[in-house]
Amino acid sequence: EDQVTQSPEALRLQEGESSSLNCSYTVSGLRGLFWYRQDPGKGPEFLFTLYSAGEEKEKERLKATLTKKESFLHITAPKPEDSATYLCAVGDGGATNKLIFGTGTLLAVQP
Amino acid sequence: ETGVTQSPTHLIKTRGQQVTLRCSSQSGHNTVSWYQQALGQGPQFIFQYYREEENGRGNFPPRFSGLQFPNYSSELNVNALELDDSALYLCASSPPGGSSYNEQFFGPGTRLTVL
Repeated sequence: EDQVTQSPEALRLQEGESSSLNCSYTVSGLRGLFWYRQDPGKGPEFLFTLYSAGEEKEKERLKATLTKKESFLHITAPKPEDSATYLCAVGDGGATNKLIFGTGTLLAVQP
Repeated sequence: ETGVTQSPTHLIKTRGQQVTLRCSSQSGHNTVSWYQQALGQGPQFIFQYYREEENGRGNFPPRFSGLQFPNYSSELNVNALELDDSALYLCASSPPGGSSYNEQFFGPGTRLTVL
């Protein structure tokens, strides 16, 4: 069964304290690993797509990496405005390439 | 470029009623997917529409149905509402063709509360 597991469930950081979020997955036909940011009561905001092991993408303080079994979202010198839930999803490779989501990591960055 | 829009923002219904949620896809996108997100959970795939036809369906009962119109906008209909249908309903659109068609861009969602 296709599955996505994110850890930790919640993370509290001080402003400037770098850390990483983990997303491990099992899927029969991976077609993309996706990272989204979600603010309370809002829809997910697209951040990155990774397609093959070894691929890396960066955006401001965020960097996403991918291996054959997991992805990491590295947050460098976070600011309070980075506080949000970060969702990881995989495309199942089927006709719809539906996204299978993890339950997310709730990040709180304190000033 | 206009992003994905959804209406209404919030909705309160009672058990047994029917509801229709609406979605306008991002400009140039021809595929629309619907997801249900319960509190504290990740979004769950309901179904996808492409060229006005249902293109795939998740593990949701038939009382969840949809439509896609020629302008690629879409509706989600839920009949015989149950308390467990209370959730944030998300619409996502995807562009046609190429590797980028895998990327789905979400709207702000409709918060449905069933009493």
